[in-house]
Amino acid sequence: EADIYQTPRYLVIGTGKKITLECSQTMGHDKMYWYQQDPGMELHLIHYSYGVNSTEKGDLSSESTVSRIRTEHFPLTLESARPSHTSQYLCASRSAGSYEQYFGPGTRLTVT
Amino acid sequence: DQQVKQNSPSLSVQEGRISILNCDYTNSMFDYFLWYKKYPAEGPTFLISISSIKDKNEDGRFTVFLNKSAKHLSLHIVPSQPGDSAVYFCAASASGYSTLTFGKGTMLLVSP
Repeated sequence: EADIYQTPRYLVIGTGKKITLECSQTMGHDKMYWYQQDPGMELHLIHYSYGVNSTEKGDLSSESTVSRIRTEHFPLTLESARPSHTSQYLCASRSAGSYEQYFGPGTRLTVT
Repeated sequence: DQQVKQNSPSLSVQEGRISILNCDYTNSMFDYFLWYKKYPAEGPTFLISISSIKDKNEDGRFTVFLNKSAKHLSLHIVPSQPGDSAVYFCAASASGYSTLTFGKGTMLLVSP
């Protein structure tokens, strides 16, 4: 059973606020990912990490930033939230020897 | 340009019948394919995968077929159950790459 957690599950916040979305996994996976997904659309990769101190930008340009100081933790930060950031944010991880990514429950972000 | 395409946004099937979800890809480098199931307000869960060295993989009620020459794969669910109602995403990866490319998903509705 995959153990990957995201908090908060839902967040409504005003424009201009700084927010951090948390993602933690207890599986010891080196590779972690952040996706953005809107209804009826594909999952867009916005950031990923190969391991501690490694971060890469994904296919979708994003104004967010990530950090990977510990293997189990991969937080995503928006310095100044805007209504265009309203979306579902999904965190995932996988082991080195597998293609399968395990997903957290997601954070539904609404910026007013 | 979308590299993984799910051209049917939705599919309705009666309980007990077969559900067939289709996926096409354009990138000939893709050699591993996965299907994920997603309920609203939850993260995707892995269902079944197939490597390009196979043309069929079966797991219980779920079977994935791969036609490499046509760059096409399909997911068969037999028999379909109301609990199968969800959005199904097709995803693809290439050897040596850590990322997945997703389609836009197909919403399956199984009615009793």
